[in-house]
Amino acid sequence: DAGITQSPRHKVTETGTPVTLRCHQTENHRYMYWYRQDPGHGLRLIHYSYGVKDTDKGEVSDGYSVSRSKTEDFLLTLESATSSQTSVYFCAISDSDRQGGVDNEQFFGPGTRLTVL
Amino acid sequence: AQSVTQLGSHVSVSEGALVLLRCNYSSSVPPYLFWYVQYPNQGLQLLLKYTSAATLVKGINGFEAEFKKSETSFHLTKPSAHMSDAAEYFCAVSDRSGGGADGLTFGKGTHLIIQP
Repeated sequence: DAGITQSPRHKVTETGTPVTLRCHQTENHRYMYWYRQDPGHGLRLIHYSYGVKDTDKGEVSDGYSVSRSKTEDFLLTLESATSSQTSVYFCAISDSDRQGGVDNEQFFGPGTRLTVL
Repeated sequence: AQSVTQLGSHVSVSEGALVLLRCNYSSSVPPYLFWYVQYPNQGLQLLLKYTSAATLVKGINGFEAEFKKSETSFHLTKPSAHMSDAAEYFCAVSDRSGGGADGLTFGKGTHLIIQP
């Protein structure tokens, strides 16, 4: 299995509080992603990173921010959590292919279940 | 823009029967296509992927999928279902423009139920 850990694995918080989720990889892969999984929606991309300090928005980025100060860590922050952000959050990584582009095959972490009351 | 449609949010088959999970995609450029499996309370595991080599792709656990450009489909099959195949299955697409670094687009998932 790819070396991807997520912390915390479970969290319950209250509306309006800030929350930070951490994704840590030991594979030295260039690309990192945050997805959320909701029933009936599959997985939807929140933000992604294509290098240290290089990030961009995904499909459902409103209310979320990210940071990547080291190759191995990708943080997802909910500045002021809302009940609509109750979800399971997955981190994924991928590496460059031989041509220097992205390999596209993504490896997923175990997920963080977040409940916002 | 790209999209994925998985027909049937739930599919039920008998143990030993053929498994067929349907996936149709929309992409303006040649795609990469993937099937992932998710067991309860776990992350996603790659079953197989299509990256423009052979159109029939073999994956883990006896699964395979065939890329059909004319039908824009990438259906997942397994000749004989096993109880351990019960899980959620996701089809995903990534287009190749921009190197594909901007993530995967997933279908909504199909829950596979295996009847004894």
